[in-house]
Amino acid sequence: NAGVTQTPKFRVLKTGQSMTLLCAQDMNHEYMYWYRQDPGMGLRLIHYSVGEGTTAKGEVPDGYNVSRLKKQNFLLGLESAAPSQTSVYFCASSYARLGRGYEQYFGPGTRLTVT
Amino acid sequence: AQKITQTQPGMFVQEKEAVTLDCTYDTSDPSYGLFWYKQPSSGEMIFLIYQGSYDQQNATEGRYSLNFQKARKSANLVISASQLGDSAMYFCAMREAYGGSQGNLIFGKGTKLSVKP
Repeated sequence: NAGVTQTPKFRVLKTGQSMTLLCAQDMNHEYMYWYRQDPGMGLRLIHYSVGEGTTAKGEVPDGYNVSRLKKQNFLLGLESAAPSQTSVYFCASSYARLGRGYEQYFGPGTRLTVT
Repeated sequence: AQKITQTQPGMFVQEKEAVTLDCTYDTSDPSYGLFWYKQPSSGEMIFLIYQGSYDQQNATEGRYSLNFQKARKSANLVISASQLGDSAMYFCAMREAYGGSQGNLIFGKGTKLSVKP
């Protein structure tokens, strides 16, 4: 049981390049999320999904797209990377757990630098 | 207005002493949940404790307890008998059942706790 995994762990992009971050979970969770973490800002929600084939915008969606073609995978895409997208990206998944609300399980993070 | 406020950017505590990390929240939703996560220097997010808005008792998980004061809208984390391994960033978060956050977690900016030997 690997939990939530993220690929890659580190990446350096040049401005204008594109890339896709992959998140996979093996816990059969319905909900999945993508966050970014910047110094002094906490975690901010980019996009989320409440089930296979559905996605929705979070707090900071601009410049990102997502897809959830399979229940276990949630992809985050950057079509034209900008230096402002330099951040640590976390994926998470959740389900309604008795006594724990919708506790979210996090992946290890992806550190992205855009030069 | 911030939904989750953590007023202590950084705190120090002596090993083996107790420490309280503050968290206040803002919601008009009658049903909500409050979470605390720990982020050590290695970067992963670790769930610590959860409190539901209708829970009558304060939540406890080992050395962690949540001091839930509903009328004051505060959900402070208490760590008893601090250990060196408790040095980390701590995030408070809230999930509203019906509010504008669409059921998603809203995080505070975090408190960096340093435990001194």
